[in-house]
Amino acid sequence: DIQMTQSPSTLAASVGDRVTLTCRASQSVTDWAAWYQQKPGRAPTLLIFKTSNLNPGVPSRFSGSGSGTEFSLTITDLQPDDFATYYCQQLKAFGQGTKVEIK
Amino acid sequence: QMQLQESGSGLVRPSETLSLTCTVSGGSLETDSYYWDWIRQPPGKGLEWVGSVYYTGTTYYSPSLKGRVTISIDTSNNQFSLNLSSVTAADSAVYYCARENWDDLDDGFDVWGQGTMVTVSS
Repeated sequence: DIQMTQSPSTLAASVGDRVTLTCRASQSVTDWAAWYQQKPGRAPTLLIFKTSNLNPGVPSRFSGSGSGTEFSLTITDLQPDDFATYYCQQLKAFGQGTKVEIK
Repeated sequence: QMQLQESGSGLVRPSETLSLTCTVSGGSLETDSYYWDWIRQPPGKGLEWVGSVYYTGTTYYSPSLKGRVTISIDTSNNQFSLNLSSVTAADSAVYYCARENWDDLDDGFDVWGQGTMVTVSS
């Protein structure tokens, strides 16, 4: 089974910062990964699919990249609404999450 | 716009069976573009895929839950259901139903229910 490992577990940043979250797959099965944002008490929402495709309605400050076993999510010009937990996913496996906190 | 809504018992006794239903509105389950999934999240923890069902009734289950989990689909009522047997406190979680989009191959879990908390306790 694929294991997805995210780093860091927590990231402290300020409004306007550029942040990059990473995700590593335990094996290379597909070049695709997805990213989700989750806020407390809410269901996750899809941000990125097929590694770099922005889900409709998601702001362009979100972008994804990667292939093989290494994937990343970058948020440029961090906004107050972006402080949340982010999960990567490949096939049926989810990473453990990265919480983006206010510095 | 498609919406998913979970329903079922919020409290289950240890060793009994957890049963949840996901009702889909704004679209049909009977399509070859999607799988219909259950995903859970224990309090304060990450997301765990439980299993999925295709409109044909074909199912896929998490290896860690195999033997205890059954997912079924009722296309006439636009619902799919989860049964998890022999539950323990470790099965306490928010359970989400979600649409897994394979319209253009692996487009992610793009529609989610709001989630329902299930507590296993005597």
